[in-house]
Amino acid sequence: EVQLVESGGGLVKPGGSLRLSCAASGFTFSIYSMNWVRQAPGKGLEWVSSISSSSYTYYADSVKGRFTISRDNAKNSLYLQMNSLRAEDTALYYCARDDQEAFDVWGQGTMVTVSS
Amino acid sequence: SSELTQDPAVSVALGQTVRITCRGDSLRSYYATWYQQKPGQAPVVVIYGKNNRPSGIPDRFSGSSSGNTASLTITGAQAEDEADYYCNSRDSSGNHLGVFGGGTKLTVL
Repeated sequence: EVQLVESGGGLVKPGGSLRLSCAASGFTFSIYSMNWVRQAPGKGLEWVSSISSSSYTYYADSVKGRFTISRDNAKNSLYLQMNSLRAEDTALYYCARDDQEAFDVWGQGTMVTVSS
Repeated sequence: SSELTQDPAVSVALGQTVRITCRGDSLRSYYATWYQQKPGQAPVVVIYGKNNRPSGIPDRFSGSSSGNTASLTITGAQAEDEADYYCNSRDSSGNHLGVFGGGTKLTVL
């Protein structure tokens, strides 16, 4: 079964850091671009970051310079290092597979709350 | 980057046809993907590419595109189609699928 499972979310103070992980299974992880997409409570979907199969990285302007996406193909894992967190980063963070035409597989998300 | 614009809310009577639209410059170059999201669930692809449905998506869902506008049509809407719908496309550089519309809340009356 193709599956993505996120972890690492939690409550963090403004200015703090958090590292999200996404464990992939059931497919050849290394050949896919992978992404983080977030959804603030009651709001729409917002793309956060992408990493290609060749490890080229892309970021939304809202997180550039603060977040770092990475992958470990040997561990079938995707990561998002989030630094200098702000209240507006509070959201459910999804890991999503990119098959070139769509985000065709999604995890269930991990919640990040930034609050003092 | 690019922007995609959707109407915030649309309603349809049970069994009738509804069209949800998405506008943006990137749609002149790239197809839109459409996602359905129900409360408490992750998004699910309903239309991708020119007009393709993933396995398990009913054929009442269809997609079309003209100029800078992409449309998702539900022909014979069912109660279970009530959900949020998001369009998505590549950014202007084409490097990633990093542009989402703001979403359309579909209510089936």
